[in-house]
Amino acid sequence: SYVLTQPPSVSVAPGKTARITCGGNTIGSRGVHWYQQKPGQAPVLVISDDSDRPSGIPERFSGSKSGNTATLTISRVEAGDEADYYCQIWDSSTGLFYVFGSGTKVTVL
Amino acid sequence: QVQLVQSGTEMKKPGASVRISCTTSGDTFNNYYIHWVRQAPGQGLEWMGLIKPTSGDTSYAPGVQGGVTMTSDTATTTVYLQLSSLSFGDTAVYYCAREASSLGVFDIWGRGTMVTVSS
Repeated sequence: SYVLTQPPSVSVAPGKTARITCGGNTIGSRGVHWYQQKPGQAPVLVISDDSDRPSGIPERFSGSKSGNTATLTISRVEAGDEADYYCQIWDSSTGLFYVFGSGTKVTVL
Repeated sequence: QVQLVQSGTEMKKPGASVRISCTTSGDTFNNYYIHWVRQAPGQGLEWMGLIKPTSGDTSYAPGVQGGVTMTSDTATTTVYLQLSSLSFGDTAVYYCAREASSLGVFDIWGRGTMVTVSS
């Protein structure tokens, strides 16, 4: 099965920058999406198609991709950004499937 | 504001079945795929499958066992996830989510339905 690899955890001080990576064999040819999930809540889309920010998501959230690694960057981190973050792709080349990364816990120090 | 409204918490015994609902707006029901995503306690997100509500066409994840069935009801613009022959491992929060214009991204999520399987 297809695997998207994320670091289990990232710690960052308030006001600093957090970077979360997502690696996979065919990420380079697929749009990567990112979701934020706070405890007890449903996931929320924060970045779509590598770098598009949905309406209502702060500009502090940005996405990029290089080769087979996508990165979610959170600038000027706030306490309210503490959450789990998941990357996700859609791949129809070998069947219709949607894959999530294993998730990264962002802790604000 | 677009919403997906899910049914409430369920507690079932092993071997039982459960049906979870996700009620959508008419526009969402007619124009978007609805997906189901599972999250076991303390674990990550797992895609289970999708349904095209107007036709009832479905596609299930390779790892989803035969005890999963997705259906839709046009009269109530509601989609359903039925889990049969429940086991302890089915204990999870089940989310419905809308796929944005077939772009492979989930733009709207329901609040989730907790299913607990316990003897």
